[in-house]
Order: sequence, then structure tokens, then C-alpha cells
Amino acid sequence: GESVGLHLPTLSVQEGDNSIINCAYSNSASDYFIWYKQESGKGPQFIIDIRSNMDKRQGQRVTVLLNKTVKHLSLQIAATQPGDSAVYFCAERLSYGQNFVFGPGTRLSVLP
Amino acid sequence: GAVVSQHPSRVICKSGTSVKIECRSLDFQATTMFWYRQFPKKSLMLMATSNEGSKATYEQGVEKDKFLINHASLTLSTLTVTSAHPEDSSFYICSARVGLAGVPDYEQYFGPGTRLTVT
Repeated sequence: GESVGLHLPTLSVQEGDNSIINCAYSNSASDYFIWYKQESGKGPQFIIDIRSNMDKRQGQRVTVLLNKTVKHLSLQIAATQPGDSAVYFCAERLSYGQNFVFGPGTRLSVLP
Repeated sequence: GAVVSQHPSRVICKSGTSVKIECRSLDFQATTMFWYRQFPKKSLMLMATSNEGSKATYEQGVEKDKFLINHASLTLSTLTVTSAHPEDSSFYICSARVGLAGVPDYEQYFGPGTRLTVT
């Protein structure tokens, strides 16, 4: 299940199941979004991106959905594997050429 | 793909000393580099943006005299934490961005991070 509190929100899923990680972004004018994966002690790694003129984009085993009406972004991981265990951050770009603002992150734990 | 390296990966220093962290883009020229700070179990917080050959732009609340940033070349940016204190202990991450002539400018490539511990 998913929990929010003093600790990083955590999502626990069984290996082989699909994972859905959610992110609420702050600025309705943001034009570009990226999902990053960060493993313990390492820098963030690019997973997938989506522009504001799209509502869905698919990669290998991953899909990003964008709902601009409610300022919501989600990352879906199909057939979750142990190597998917990490912290996932969404990042929004406020406008072209501007910096990215990172969300609080969600820890994904894959159970055997 | 584009690779960004950081050195050192870990550093322990005594309170009051200064420490320099290097960020290099290995296979591309980075017109802009960013420095982030990350506390345990927290998200990345942008500290400053540096463009090659010009002064860095610091985010609100970040002391520019304490966190000195130099971006002297298109492949190297340095962050120097001056007169470090235990509260400066953190994970520092750089990222690099290429201009329109190369990889799309909206992608940032992150370094592996440097863990600073001030005792």
C-alpha cells in the first residue's frame, strides 16, 4: 500500500505486478515533465518525459500519464522487477529554458 | 548517452575547512550546469545555476559566499563549500544541460552525487 507521513511515501508491490506512482505538480503553466529514478547513494536517472501537449507517452515497460486538469502525473511500470526498487521523482519545468522543480519522491519497494 | 561525473564521491572534512566538489560532462559540452542538495529521504533542492563564463545564479536562501560555484569551461563546474559546518553535511548532486545545437536542451544529465560529511 501507499503511505504518506514523516517518511518518504512508499509503495510496495509484488514482483510481476504493475506499479503506479503518482505525482501532483504545482504549476498549471508547466510545459514539460520528467520522471527520474534514484537508487540509493546515486544520482537521479532519466526514465521518461512528456510534454504538456500530450496526455500519454509510453516507453519500455513504463508509461507516463498527464492530467493537466487536475495537475496530476503518473508513472506506470509494467511487470515490476526487483531492479525497479528505488525512489522515483517527478520533475516539472515551469517554462521553456527554466529549471526543473522536483516533487517529494516516492519509494518503490518490490516484494519477492 | 551523455555522462556526467563528480569527484569526489565521498568526502569527510573537519568543521571550518573548505571542500571542493567537481562536476564534469565527459562526452558533451554543457552550457549550463546545476547544483542540487539532497537531504536524507528528501527531494532535490536546486542551489544554483551556472552558465559557462558567467556568475552563478543562486536560489533564494542559498549563501553565495558559502557555496562558491565556478563554471570556467564547458565541461567543468566546481562547488566549493567554504568554512563547512556539520549542517552542511548532505548529498550534493550536479547536473548538466546542453544547448539547442546538441542534445535537446530540456534534458538534464545528472552526476552520481557527492556525499559530504562535516565532523
